[in-house]
Amino acid sequence: EAQVTQNPRYLITVTGKKLTVTCSQNMNHEYMSWYRQDPGLGLRQIYYSMNVEVTDKGDVPEGYKVSRKEKRNFPLILESPSPNQTSLYFCASSLSGLGGPTDTQYFGPGTRLTVL
Amino acid sequence: SQQGEEDPQALSIQEGENATMNCSYKTSINNLQWYRQNSGRGLVHLILIRSNEREKHSGRLRVTLDTSKKSSSLLITASRAADTASYFCAPGTYKYIFGTGTRLKVLA
Repeated sequence: EAQVTQNPRYLITVTGKKLTVTCSQNMNHEYMSWYRQDPGLGLRQIYYSMNVEVTDKGDVPEGYKVSRKEKRNFPLILESPSPNQTSLYFCASSLSGLGGPTDTQYFGPGTRLTVL
Repeated sequence: SQQGEEDPQALSIQEGENATMNCSYKTSINNLQWYRQNSGRGLVHLILIRSNEREKHSGRLRVTLDTSKKSSSLLITASRAADTASYFCAPGTYKYIFGTGTRLKVLA
């Protein structure tokens, strides 16, 4: 089954404790992206990756890092989480990210992160 | 980067009625996509319309695009309770900025 998986689905942590949220897709997609969703603010893009060689900041990259060492994985790293990073996080992938006729984004199920 | 702004913020209708929601954006685009999100879950792609298209249909969905007005609309005909969700537009290409969405509630 074609899918984007995220782990963990739920995480409660404390300020300053490094954490990684994994994202993996099995569709051989080039493009992957991370979003956070907060009430009243919609989905905001954190980072995106056009392919394993190109990664760039989205609109809210501060406090986050990403890594794209292989095509299928795109982990999101919070080196020193803070309470304002409490949010619902989504990973997504698409064939190329260029918006062609079949280039739709497939979203993971979400990771609900709480930073105390 | 492109941001879509959906309007209205919330919409409540009876089952069987049509639901129309709108999206506005600010700069030129190559395409515009609509997504649906059920509460707390990942977004699901509904339809993509290219900048050279004016209208597109998919089942009970009808999307229009007016590039001169920088706006798009999504029409859901004969709505069902299962259509209750938030709907987002995403103009542009790889640097997506979603708006806050339209929360649609279909009453049985």
